[in-house]
Amino acid sequence: DQQVKQNSPSLSVQEGRISILNCDYTNSMFDYFLWYKKYPAEGPTFLISISSIKDKNEDGRFTVFLNKSAKHLSLHIVPSQPGDSAVYFCAASAGTYKYIFGTGTRLKVLA
Amino acid sequence: EPEVTQTPSHQVTQMGQEVILRCVPISNHLYFYWYRQILGQKVEFLVSFYNNEISEKSEIFDDQFSVERPDGSNFTLKIRSTKLEDSAMYFCASSTRQGLNSPLHFGNGTRLTVT
Repeated sequence: DQQVKQNSPSLSVQEGRISILNCDYTNSMFDYFLWYKKYPAEGPTFLISISSIKDKNEDGRFTVFLNKSAKHLSLHIVPSQPGDSAVYFCAASAGTYKYIFGTGTRLKVLA
Repeated sequence: EPEVTQTPSHQVTQMGQEVILRCVPISNHLYFYWYRQILGQKVEFLVSFYNNEISEKSEIFDDQFSVERPDGSNFTLKIRSTKLEDSAMYFCASSTRQGLNSPLHFGNGTRLTVT
């Protein structure tokens, strides 16, 4: 039962360009969405979140877009930097304590 | 910046043994969680804990698992009789409150290896 899906296991982007990471979900009850970044041997680090009442949220180089009708969210990183190379997880919750995570996308930013 | 700390970083145990994974959440946080990630798979919710009781648990969190906040700072996950399939990274997390604008803050995890 994969309620949150990240269909691209990996993505390579040139330094300075835009990275776009995608996430799809199936549960229409989800009302809060988050993106986490994870380096090897570390826990997930919170990046940015968005509630279902918004369609866009920005924080510095990171912007999350939410398309509720398509049940799709994306994370844009502009400009991409080598230090952004990590695994990115999207997560969602439906007003409970339980966050459902996607399978992750490994981003590699090439110098 | 305050952080969630977990000990040990790596625990090796034999099948059938009990293990206790320890966590110190961020001091002013009220909600506590355990998640796990089996190698190469997604991060999975195990349990949430608030006001000294379990708020929600997943189907993974069966009778072999228990959580406790034995004092004002520690939050533990106990696996009574470990199985090979319990081998995973276990992440503790905490948050100030549940719901909007309340992201989870994760520790760096404990790698549990059951042999």
